[in-house]
Amino acid sequence: DAGVTQSPTHLIKTRGQQVTLRCSPKSGHDTVSWYQQALGQGPQFIFQYYEEEERQRGNFPDRFSGHQFPNYSSELNVNALLLGDSALYLCASSDGRALETQYFGPGTRLLVL
Amino acid sequence: AQSVTQPDIHITVSEGASLELRCNYSYGATPYLFWYVQSPGQGLQLLLKYFSGDTLVQGIKGFEAEFKRSQSSFNLRKPSVHWSDAAEYFCAANDYKLSFGAGTTVTVRA
Repeated sequence: DAGVTQSPTHLIKTRGQQVTLRCSPKSGHDTVSWYQQALGQGPQFIFQYYEEEERQRGNFPDRFSGHQFPNYSSELNVNALLLGDSALYLCASSDGRALETQYFGPGTRLLVL
Repeated sequence: AQSVTQPDIHITVSEGASLELRCNYSYGATPYLFWYVQSPGQGLQLLLKYFSGDTLVQGIKGFEAEFKRSQSSFNLRKPSVHWSDAAEYFCAANDYKLSFGAGTTVTVRA
């Protein structure tokens, strides 16, 4: 049974560019959440997708947007990249109940130069 | 504001010694509580969780945690630490989204 997968594993972009990160949830899960983890800090909640809709959003600007597909996979898009967007981006999946346990993927390391 | 606090930034422990990591939460009602572990460059692995009921919960890798409502705490413990336990440990609370503490780095010395 495959766990949560994310692609790519690493990414280097320059300021002002746009980036798309991808996530496939654990089998049987229909909810995907995205987190940003800056170096030396705990993960910060970006947003959560359920039934292809954004269900909850953290304190992140509109430059951060997402999408969920009918197969429950998800994308995180970041526009107009800033140096401060450099971080590990983590995807987590759960089974749709709001307070259910979330399982994390290995993350995508984004470096903005 | 709702928050999770891990008072210890870094803990060093000898191999074979016991380990306790502290976690406090500030929520209106008791949230669901979790401990995750993160090895360098890796994602987060769930160690254990508390939803309700028995206040002492058992997890993987020999870890356990005790929920104390009166102290708003959910401390993680391990009786005997192995060198492979060196990692970053995060306490988290779930009230629809996961809110994490800042983490505690555990170093294990031989």
